[in-house]
Amino acid sequence: DAGVIQSPRHEVTEMGQEVTLRCKPISGHNSLFWYRQTMMRGLELLIYFNNNVPIDDSGMPEDRFSAKMPNASFSTLKIQPSEPRDSAVYFCASSPSTQVRNQPQHFGDGTRLSIL
Amino acid sequence: AQKITQTQPGMFVQEKEAVTLDCTYDTSDQSYGLFWYKQPSSGEMIFLIYQGSYDEQNATEGRYSLNFQKARKSANLVISASQLGDSAMYFCAMREPINNAGNMLTFGGGTRLMVKP
Repeated sequence: DAGVIQSPRHEVTEMGQEVTLRCKPISGHNSLFWYRQTMMRGLELLIYFNNNVPIDDSGMPEDRFSAKMPNASFSTLKIQPSEPRDSAVYFCASSPSTQVRNQPQHFGDGTRLSIL
Repeated sequence: AQKITQTQPGMFVQEKEAVTLDCTYDTSDQSYGLFWYKQPSSGEMIFLIYQGSYDEQNATEGRYSLNFQKARKSANLVISASQLGDSAMYFCAMREPINNAGNMLTFGGGTRLMVKP
């Protein structure tokens, strides 16, 4: 079975540009999570969707960040305008029914974002 | 608010020996879950093992086991018979429920394990 699929794997762009990261969760999973990983701050949860609805976006750093989940098989994380401090690895993760407590989150391979 | 602490930023272990990676947590919830993930140098996050707060026995998965001490709020990962491929970052994470609408993970800072041949 396919795991969580993220694209692109790497993105290098100049500051001020719009960046869109994409994620396809595992089929049948109804929870989707976006994380950011940096050396300084470790792994941070940015936003969490349940059944395509944003549940907790308290981790979204600024209004420059936005996330959508138009359907159960696709989500985007957008940064506009991008800044050098947004450089990080961005992970998408999904998990099955949240009522089953021992279900882990399954992570994609991440997008390594560099803003010049 | 909960917190996950991994006090060992880096560790060395000799190949074929066992190693324990520490994780302590702080929560006021009675129902919670603890997860360990491995992140090799290639960057992906790999789920290793889970321990529920109500589980009476320590979790085991192959060479991985969890030394769960609920009263001390610790959930240490034990890797037996270390292999060179075990060299990676290891993250402890705790699940807390969000308004009965889901589960959120909070991660510790990680421990970098290096296995020496």
